[in-house]
Amino acid sequence: AQSVTQLGSHVSVSEGALVLLRCNYSSSVPPYLFWYVQYPNQGLQLLLKYTSAATLVKGINGFEAEFKKSETSFHLTKPSAHMSDAAEYFCAVSLLSGNTPLVFGKGTRLSVIA
Amino acid sequence: DGGITQSPKYLFRKEGQNVTLSCEQNLNHDAMYWYRQDPGQGLRLIYYSQIVNDFQKGDIAEGYSVSREKKESFPLTVTSAQKNPTAFYLCASSPRGTLPGNEQYFGPGTRLTVT
Repeated sequence: AQSVTQLGSHVSVSEGALVLLRCNYSSSVPPYLFWYVQYPNQGLQLLLKYTSAATLVKGINGFEAEFKKSETSFHLTKPSAHMSDAAEYFCAVSLLSGNTPLVFGKGTRLSVIA
Repeated sequence: DGGITQSPKYLFRKEGQNVTLSCEQNLNHDAMYWYRQDPGQGLRLIYYSQIVNDFQKGDIAEGYSVSREKKESFPLTVTSAQKNPTAFYLCASSPRGTLPGNEQYFGPGTRLTVT
């Protein structure tokens, strides 16, 4: 079964520093991949989605992610962290075939230090 | 405005009581989902429904029940059989069922506390 692994349950960066949140998938066939953000006590909001059209995907709030098939990775980045980026981030996967719900990683909590 | 509503935002119950969480969507989406979220455990799928009057168990269905009598509504009942019901519950929907690549849209969640 497909799965995603998010390396690091908690990442802390300084305001203005690079944000890098890691996600690796396990699938022999490149899947569809998603990043979601969750602010405290709220639902999840879609940041971006990989659909095989382009390996570099741009999302909302200045985030982007790059699909690397050779590394089975879909890491999320932002050049300069803002205090408002503090939240929990989830990577999710959907296979190209089949008919099943998204599978979510366990999440990475991002803290931004002033 | 189109979206997913969950009510109430906070819910308190005594142990041994069943409780029903509401989820309504006006997005005309086919599929709806219920997830449970606990600290450090990510999202765990409880039930999902791809069409009216049909639903499937997720990874942690024991102690929960659902119904899908209308396309826009997917209520979740937490029964007294659920051993540890205190959690944050999220409802989601997706426009084209569970077809590959289909993103899910989430409601604001209900925080259930059972004492």
